[in-house]
Amino acid sequence: GENVEQHPSTLSVQEGDSAVIKCTYSDSASNYFPWYKQELGKRPQLIIDIRSNVGEKKDQRIAVTLNKTAKHFSLHITETQPEDSAVYFCAASSNNDMRFGAGTRLTVKP
Amino acid sequence: EAGVAQSPRYKIIEKRQSVAFWCNPISGHATLYWYQQILGQGPKLLIQFQNNGVVDDSQLPKDRFSAERLKGVDSTLKIQPAKLEDSAVYLCASSRDLPAEQYFGPGTRLTVT
Repeated sequence: GENVEQHPSTLSVQEGDSAVIKCTYSDSASNYFPWYKQELGKRPQLIIDIRSNVGEKKDQRIAVTLNKTAKHFSLHITETQPEDSAVYFCAASSNNDMRFGAGTRLTVKP
Repeated sequence: EAGVAQSPRYKIIEKRQSVAFWCNPISGHATLYWYQQILGQGPKLLIQFQNNGVVDDSQLPKDRFSAERLKGVDSTLKIQPAKLEDSAVYLCASSRDLPAEQYFGPGTRLTVT
């Protein structure tokens, strides 16, 4: 089955800086890669996703890149703000399963 | 549209007792997922339904966990008997299709003492 690894486990940046979180996956059949933000005590919320027929997708300050050959994808957050502080999870999915990474705790210092 | 509903929100039981969780997905969503999220970890998929059929239950501890989605809408997840290591948040999610954006419910926080 699919195995997703996520790095780093914790990330601290200064407000206004950029943050990058990286994930690798093992199953070449995976074709959908969402990123979720989870604030303390709350449910995961989708922030951006990408499908395997696209290499990059951007939504305002958030972008995701996908390298199918290397089986890795990354989340980029620019101009970080204190409200971006949360745990971020990557995931990889084929039609039959969904596997999450272990999460990255992002702290944005004002 | 109404979100994914789960109940109860919190449950405290002793080890070896049984517990059941209920989930009502977003109307029209064919796919339903149950996840276990242990504190400090990512959600772990326990079981995935497409309508009322099981798509993936490879990570479900079948000796103690069971789940059903009889009419392809609501679902229940049961643990019998519970162990201390089952303490976690149990998240239900649904999506319109496979694979697609999942919408999560508020979760049930289970504490096994």
